[in-house]
Amino acid sequence: NAGVMQNPRHLVRRRGQEARLRCSPMKGHSHVYWYRQLPEEGLKFMVYLQKENIIDESGMPKERFSAEFPKEGPSILRIQQVVRGDSAAYFCASSPLPGQGFYGYTFGSGTRLTVV
Amino acid sequence: TQLLEQSPQFLSIQEGENLTVYCNSSSVFSSLQWYRQEPGEGPVLLVTVVTGGEVKKLKRLTFQFGDARKDSSLHITAAQPGDTGLYLCAGPTDSGNTGKLIFGQGTTLQVKP
Repeated sequence: NAGVMQNPRHLVRRRGQEARLRCSPMKGHSHVYWYRQLPEEGLKFMVYLQKENIIDESGMPKERFSAEFPKEGPSILRIQQVVRGDSAAYFCASSPLPGQGFYGYTFGSGTRLTVV
Repeated sequence: TQLLEQSPQFLSIQEGENLTVYCNSSSVFSSLQWYRQEPGEGPVLLVTVVTGGEVKKLKRLTFQFGDARKDSSLHITAAQPGDTGLYLCAGPTDSGNTGKLIFGQGTTLQVKP
């Protein structure tokens, strides 16, 4: 069984460009969670999605950030007009059932975004 | 607001030494988890503790959940260079069944041969 797959592993964008980060959940998992890890900080929750639905986006910046999890294909975290402060590691996790935070998650290897 | 505070932030020890990492909060958590993260990789779940006073062992690692479920500790016996990494504690928030986790800021452990 493949784990949570994220790509690309590394992404370099110039200020003002768009960044698209992809997350393919584990087989059979229909719930995806995105977290961001800024340098020298712990992981911070961004958004929780089910197939075709955003359940909780309380950790997403109000502007420039969006996420989707379509019926088919991976979940996408999209950052428009990137700024240097967006440079971070972005991780996703998945679960087969809702609200599995009680038990803990399997995370992907992450996408490291560098804005130059 | 729920917070998890880890101490120490950095720890550098020699191979064979013992160490303890602490994760503290003023809030009660239904469970606490410990993850280990290596550079360039995602966090890997080591253990979940769910019952106050619970002790779990994973080879040389011993995890304890406080009686009041507000704190946890990770004790490593006879540390090895392979134990080097970032150790994170995490717990589910009390904001409903959204699966949202709160993480501590992490403890960076370096074990020198």
